[in-house]
Amino acid sequence: DQQVKQNSPSLSVQEGRISILNCDYTNSMFDYFLWYKKYPAEGPTFLISISSIKDKNEDGRFTVFLNKSAKHLSLHIVPSQPGDSAVYFCAASVRFTASNYQLIWGAGTKLIIKP
Amino acid sequence: DAGVTQSPTHLIKTRGQHVTLRCSPISGHKSVSWYQQVLGQGPQFIFQYYEKEERGRGNFPDRFSARQFPNYSSELNVNALLLGDSALYLCASSLAGEGTGELFFGEGSRLTVL
Repeated sequence: DQQVKQNSPSLSVQEGRISILNCDYTNSMFDYFLWYKKYPAEGPTFLISISSIKDKNEDGRFTVFLNKSAKHLSLHIVPSQPGDSAVYFCAASVRFTASNYQLIWGAGTKLIIKP
Repeated sequence: DAGVTQSPTHLIKTRGQHVTLRCSPISGHKSVSWYQQVLGQGPQFIFQYYEKEERGRGNFPDRFSARQFPNYSSELNVNALLLGDSALYLCASSLAGEGTGELFFGEGSRLTVL
């Protein structure tokens, strides 16, 4: 049972335009949502997060939107740059005891920025 | 400052063998988590350790075990290897066991089981 889904395996965007990556989830108990970026032969690196009590968080060119009623979040990158080409993972945090949590990850979307 | 370091980076084993993967967290980080990433999928949570105690375990068989040492480094052990254990094993560290989920990952250990 995939609790976090990224339905687009890949996305191609022209340099300078907006990239929109989507993520859907099923578990209403998730309390944080995160986006990680992964280059080949490297571990994932944290990009941006959003608490379940908010609907938007912005950091420079990156904005994450959360629609709790639709159980959907999206990552917007504006403007897209060649260095943004990577695999983007959506992850959701669920607290399973008072002092620890686990991240549930989507399968990733490969973003390709065309020059 | 050094990031999360993992060793070995690549290894090949045969079915039935045992493997030990090692991880050194970022200095000052007390929590280490292990993830398995199979090609084409997102990372799957295996274990979390905080202050040398297991704080969480994912849906993996008992062939998988781990521990955390006094210096906060960690080992992941897998016994009786199966072909399906072939994957990238990622170690991540964080300051504590709770929070926003911001983890710092190493480059991973790529295990191939033949």
